[in-house]
Amino acid sequence: DGGITQSPKYLFRKEGQNVTLSCEQNLNHDAMYWYRQDPGQGLRLIYYSQIVNDFQKGDIAEGYSVSREKKESFPLTVTSAQKNPTAFYLCASSIGTENQPQHFGDGTRLSIL
Amino acid sequence: AQSVTQPDIHITVSEGASLELRCNYSYGATPYLFWYVQSPGQGLQLLLKYFSGDTLVQGIKGFEAEFKRSQSSFNLRKPSVHWSDAAEYFCAVGAKSAGNKLTFGGGTRVLVKP
Repeated sequence: DGGITQSPKYLFRKEGQNVTLSCEQNLNHDAMYWYRQDPGQGLRLIYYSQIVNDFQKGDIAEGYSVSREKKESFPLTVTSAQKNPTAFYLCASSIGTENQPQHFGDGTRLSIL
Repeated sequence: AQSVTQPDIHITVSEGASLELRCNYSYGATPYLFWYVQSPGQGLQLLLKYFSGDTLVQGIKGFEAEFKRSQSSFNLRKPSVHWSDAAEYFCAVGAKSAGNKLTFGGGTRVLVKP
């Protein structure tokens, strides 16, 4: 079945450590997105990519970095510069045209030790 | 910039009763509108979408939504809720000028009483 796979489901970070969240899709979608979700809040866009080797900052990009070397993969690195990284992170993808819905993975929950 | 407001943070409804979730958006032109549902610890699942045409759209799991341009609203409804409908619901708006970026509302958590 086609879909979006996020791994790991749970991740723990020590102070001062960078961690990378994986997102892989086999839907042949051009566009991919990373969102952050905090308790009781909606989704906030971190980064998005509409094509391989290109990506743009979203609303809360500070302290995060991404790469898009392959169409299927869009990993997110949470750097030590992100002072409040504890959150639920969701990856999504879409065909890439304007009115198409985004499809979501099951998320990664990141916590600080 | 586009924005989405879901005025109700929590709604409690009895099983078998009807449900209506409110969504108001702010955008100058015709937006693209979506409703998603999220179960605890899971990703978001698309319930339905509106792009153009008939303002009453049908979705999965017995949900429907009505686009009202004059009220800038896209409310979600279900005639009879089931215990499995307990979840968090998000309204989202996209816009032609924003490429395929979506702006999400803060969500409404639905609790279903037996």
